[in-house]
Amino acid sequence: GQQVMQIPQYQHVQEGEDFTTYCNSSTTLSNIQWYKQRPGGHPVFLIQLVKSGEVKKQKRLTFQFGEAKKNSSLHITATQTTDVGTYFCAGPKSNFGNEKLTFGTGTRLTIIP
Amino acid sequence: EAQVTQNPRYLITVTGKKLTVTCSQNMNHEYMSWYRQDPGLGLRQIYYSMNVEVTDKGDVPEGYKVSRKEKRNFPLILESPSPNQTSLYFCASSTNPERYTEAFFGQGTRLTVV
Repeated sequence: GQQVMQIPQYQHVQEGEDFTTYCNSSTTLSNIQWYKQRPGGHPVFLIQLVKSGEVKKQKRLTFQFGEAKKNSSLHITATQTTDVGTYFCAGPKSNFGNEKLTFGTGTRLTIIP
Repeated sequence: EAQVTQNPRYLITVTGKKLTVTCSQNMNHEYMSWYRQDPGLGLRQIYYSMNVEVTDKGDVPEGYKVSRKEKRNFPLILESPSPNQTSLYFCASSTNPERYTEAFFGQGTRLTVV
């Protein structure tokens, strides 16, 4: 079946360093979404990418969707303590729309002040 | 305030005692879904509903039931809970998933079955 893998599983960075998490799907995705979950909180939508090769920015966050639409990345420049949390990517299962999302296993980011 | 509300937030129960986790959204969303979150496994979909009276299985439906009698409510029912259903549960809703809209998640329900 379809798999959505995220690496790394954990990342510890010094405040001010950059951070990147990668998402890889075994199948081509029609779109990909990214969510952030703060410790003890619930997933919150960050962004959605639809087009091949698409790049979107939100302040210090840069999201990319691969040319083959099978991988994606989230890069945070100059991390801050507010970036702490787990970042998930999610894409639709093969032959379905977003009614059946498959979530990656997540990357937990911790910041060392 | 637009939100998805789950109740209860925390629940400890015993094996075999039927329970219901409620989920309600005030955004008039057509689509609702239940997920469970376990360490190292991410979020896995249990059931989803595209509209009133329309429900379908997700990836891990065994041991769960749902109903969608009203647009705003989507309760999750565990008829005979077992310890392997100990998990963190999230309800989510969105306007139209076929148009790739974002999902709004509830605060979560931490369930422990002993």
